[in-house]
Amino acid sequence: EDQVTQSPEALRLQEGESSSLNCSYTVSGLRGLFWYRQDPGKGPEFLFTLYSAGEEKEKERLKATLTKKESFLHITAPKPEDSATYLCAVQARSSNTGKLIFGQGTTLQVKP
Amino acid sequence: GAVVSQHPSWVICKSGTSVKIECRSLDFQATTMFWYRQFPKQSLMLMATSNEGSKATYEQGVEKDKFLINHASLTLSTLTVTSAHPEDSSFYICSASRYGILNTEAFFGQGTRLTVV
Repeated sequence: EDQVTQSPEALRLQEGESSSLNCSYTVSGLRGLFWYRQDPGKGPEFLFTLYSAGEEKEKERLKATLTKKESFLHITAPKPEDSATYLCAVQARSSNTGKLIFGQGTTLQVKP
Repeated sequence: GAVVSQHPSWVICKSGTSVKIECRSLDFQATTMFWYRQFPKQSLMLMATSNEGSKATYEQGVEKDKFLINHASLTLSTLTVTSAHPEDSSFYICSASRYGILNTEAFFGQGTRLTVV
């Protein structure tokens, strides 16, 4: 069964304290792994798509990496505005609809 | 990035009435759209896959007759919550995927907060 597990569930950081969020997955053939940011009361905002092990993508203070079993979202020198829930999702190659399977998310709080 | 617009952002309705939520892809054509439901402090739960010109595919446990989905064009899908009850109160979100030669991106609407009183 295709599955996504994110850890930790919640993370509190001081401003400037770098850290990483983990997304472990099992899927019958990975088509893509997606990272989203979700603010309270809003829809998820697309951050990255990763397709193959070894791939990395960066956007401002965020860097996403991918291995055959997990993905990391590295946050460098976070700011309070980075506080949000970060969602990871996978898309199986076997899916002909592009269905995404989501993890439970990591809620990040960055204190000034 | 691409824009997916969802309307309304919030709605309050009386128990027993029906509510329609619209999801539009503004700058790309979406053959497939998805409808999710999200409970407080939980992740997204896929309700159904909406296919342009054909019937929606519902996830197990989702009532087809309660949650009517219509995908009338390549840019519009609608979710109608029929005979709404307080337990249907939730945050509903749609998404649309844009397929490219090298990559696939999935974009979400802003979400609709439904409150049934």
